[in-house]
Amino acid sequence: GENVEQHPSTLSVQEGDSAVIKCTYSDSASNYFPWYKQELGKRPQLIIDIRSNVGEKKDQRIAVTLNKTAKHFSLHITETQPEDSAVYFCAASDTGNQFYFGTGTSLTVIP
Amino acid sequence: DSGVTQTPKHLITATGQRVTLRCSPRSGDLSVYWYQQSLDQGLQFLIQYYNGEERAKGNILERFSAQQFPDLHSELNLSSLELGDSALYFCASSVGGKRETQYFGPGTRLLVL
Repeated sequence: GENVEQHPSTLSVQEGDSAVIKCTYSDSASNYFPWYKQELGKRPQLIIDIRSNVGEKKDQRIAVTLNKTAKHFSLHITETQPEDSAVYFCAASDTGNQFYFGTGTSLTVIP
Repeated sequence: DSGVTQTPKHLITATGQRVTLRCSPRSGDLSVYWYQQSLDQGLQFLIQYYNGEERAKGNILERFSAQQFPDLHSELNLSSLELGDSALYFCASSVGGKRETQYFGPGTRLLVL
């Protein structure tokens, strides 16, 4: 089955700096890669996703890049703000029936 | 609010017992997913239902079972509970279950003593 690895497990950045979280996957059939943000005690919420026919996608301060050849995808957050502090999860899916999640990155934005 | 509801919010029970967790998907969503999130782990996919039928199965223990009813709500049954089953259980729903946005419910926090 698919194996998704996520790094780093914890990340601290100064407010205003950029944060990058990387994930790798093993199954070349995976073609849908969502990213979720989970604040403490809350539900995961989709923040951005990318499909394998696209190399990059942006939504304001958030961007995701995908390298199908290397089987890795990354989340980029620019101009970080304290409210960006949360745990971020990447995931991969081929059919959309089963999703494989990374182990999460705890991001702390220091004011 | 995602539109996905889960009950109960909290559940405390003893080892060996059986519990049922309930999930109501967003209006119009046909697909329901169940996940387990332990303290030191990420989200573990358990099972997916689409329009009443099981579509995919992940790392779901034999002691666990689920079903989706004609009104599309779903129940996750956990039996012979062990201490290690203590976790946050999320359900999520999507329109059709094909690489679409999943909307998560607020979760049920299960504590097995």
